[in-house]
Amino acid sequence: GNSVTQMEGPVTLSEEAFLTINCTYTATGYPSLFWYVQYPGEGLQLLLKATKADDKGSNKGFEATYRKETTSFHLEKGSVQVSDSAVYFCALSQPFRAQKLVFGQGTRLTINP
Amino acid sequence: GAGVSQTPSNKVTEKGKYVELRCDPISGHTALYWYRQSLGQGPEFLIYFQGTGAADDSGLPNDRFFAVRPEGSVSTLKIQRTERGDSAVYLCASSPRGGLAEFSGTDTQYFGPGTRLTVL
Repeated sequence: GNSVTQMEGPVTLSEEAFLTINCTYTATGYPSLFWYVQYPGEGLQLLLKATKADDKGSNKGFEATYRKETTSFHLEKGSVQVSDSAVYFCALSQPFRAQKLVFGQGTRLTINP
Repeated sequence: GAGVSQTPSNKVTEKGKYVELRCDPISGHTALYWYRQSLGQGPEFLIYFQGTGAADDSGLPNDRFFAVRPEGSVSTLKIQRTERGDSAVYLCASSPRGGLAEFSGTDTQYFGPGTRLTVL
């Protein structure tokens, strides 16, 4: 079946540090890949997505590249800010099959000033 | 415009009681999803509606859980004979098209704030 494994947290960084949160997946065919973010006290929001191999999703300075050869979709940001503190979820869905999302367990990120 | 709303935001109930959780999706979205998020975990799929029909209920844990969407808009998740293990945040999401057979693209799901259910 489909599954997502992401880097265990919590992750604590200083402001302006480089961020990587690892995500790997297991799926048949060609899933779409997503990063969702949950800020304190708020609901889940889509951060970025990629729908085919070698696509790069980007938003708010975050990037992730769909790597089919390594079944990975690692999240990166060159210089994090305190406002990036949140829980990040990697997820996948299969086109034509309800597009229900399969999530990883989440990674809590804390950025210190 | 208005996003996905869920009521109540918090629900505390006693073991064995019946509860209903409501989801109001974004207007015009044909697809509606329910997920359950336990503490420290990612959301897990429960059920997917396309219009009024439950197109995929493979994630419902047992027959105590049931959901409806009678007019293709608002949905209600119903839990009978609640157990302590049902305690979680229940999330609702909607998307414009979902898994429609004629749609080959990838939809974005928009999530509500969730209902935190506590079973004592």
